[in-house]
Amino acid sequence: SQTIHQWPATLVQPVGSPLSLECTVEGTSNPNLYWYRQAAGRGLQLLFYSVGIGQISSEVPQNLSASRPQDRQFILSSKKLLLSDSGFYLCALQEVVNTGELFFGEGSRLTVL
Amino acid sequence: GQQVMQIPQYQHVQEGEDFTTYCNSSTTLSNIQWYKQRPGGHPVFLIQLVKSGEVKKQKRLTFQFGEAKKNSSLHITATQTTDVGTYFCAGRVEYGNKLVFGAGTILRVKS
Repeated sequence: SQTIHQWPATLVQPVGSPLSLECTVEGTSNPNLYWYRQAAGRGLQLLFYSVGIGQISSEVPQNLSASRPQDRQFILSSKKLLLSDSGFYLCALQEVVNTGELFFGEGSRLTVL
Repeated sequence: GQQVMQIPQYQHVQEGEDFTTYCNSSTTLSNIQWYKQRPGGHPVFLIQLVKSGEVKKQKRLTFQFGEAKKNSSLHITATQTTDVGTYFCAGRVEYGNKLVFGAGTILRVKS
């Protein structure tokens, strides 16, 4: 079965610092991959999704970017963090051949001070 | 753009009481999914509804998809403390890859 690894699990960063969150998946090939952000006590906001290597669709214009250098690797980055970037970042995969359900990673909790 | 509204935002029930959360989309959906997120955890898939008017049950949980495929509900009968968490609906428009999530309903159960 598929597994999703996200790291780091928790991080505290100063405003203006760079960010790199990594997501890797196993047990599947050519999945659709997603980055969601969840503010405290709020819903899930879709940030980016990717249907293949090098293919990134951005949903919300902001100071974040995403890359998919390999089929099973999805990276979320920022050059300069803002206070509003704090939140719970979730990577998810969707197997193209199944019903379309999303499998979420454990998440990365980011606090920007 | 597509919007998915979910109500109520928050509900606090006594153990044994029923609970319902409602989901409404601004556009017709090809399918709708429901997820549960335990406090401090990540969302976990519960079910997917595809057909107009579809009703599915999982033990004490009943899921419905509206005839117009624009609304859905999740009903929990006789809540238990293990039901606590946030319940999200997520809708997919026809011919789309994206799931748009509702804001979620936070359920708290008093024992």
